[in-house]
Amino acid sequence: ETGVTQTPRHLVMGMTNKKSLKCEQHLGHNAMYWYKQSAKKPLELMFVYNFKEQTENNSVPSRFSPECPNSSHLFLHLHTLQPEDSALYLCASSQEGQGSLTLYEQYFGPGTRLTVT
Amino acid sequence: GQQVMQIPQYQHVQEGEDFTTYCNSSTTLSNIQWYKQRPGGHPVFLIQLVKSGEVKKQKRLTFQFGEAKKNSSLHITATQTTDVGTYFCAAETTDSWGKLQFGAGTQVVVTP
Repeated sequence: ETGVTQTPRHLVMGMTNKKSLKCEQHLGHNAMYWYKQSAKKPLELMFVYNFKEQTENNSVPSRFSPECPNSSHLFLHLHTLQPEDSALYLCASSQEGQGSLTLYEQYFGPGTRLTVT
Repeated sequence: GQQVMQIPQYQHVQEGEDFTTYCNSSTTLSNIQWYKQRPGGHPVFLIQLVKSGEVKKQKRLTFQFGEAKKNSSLHITATQTTDVGTYFCAAETTDSWGKLQFGAGTQVVVTP
């Protein structure tokens, strides 16, 4: 499946580093999402962009900064992370919703496995 | 607190047996989606249920949405080793309008 791609697939960074995660979707969707998946915890929605506008910021610490330059690309800028931020970061996309984004299935990328040392 | 609860958290199944995983909510759900994540993989959409009492089938998988739209189930018959993975339900609740809330998932292990 190549509908949603993410780079890098693995990332190890120190707490003082700055790095960015990239997501690209080739499905013509207008909504994109960042999720955090930690062991033994539900998928946590972090950010939602619909038509390049951020519509959801789920109380995410400011050390995570999203950017959506166009409907096909989504970035997650990371700085001064903590060890508890180590997780699988998943990007997803879906069609825009008519009143509700949840009426459409989400297509996930393979994720970036992040380790903060 | 978590709005969408999934049980069981783990399920060990003998190949060929049936099993069911459940998704429950204390609030009314607008719709519910089911996803499967293989080990080392990412969630893949399986189905969406919208109507009260709706039942949908995909080969050996049967999905059901409760009459009160507060619960859903996934039943797999004649489990195969390819069914290994974690099954997530995701729903829009009245408290999370416009966004999907994922359950914690049921991790399924199949013994040959």
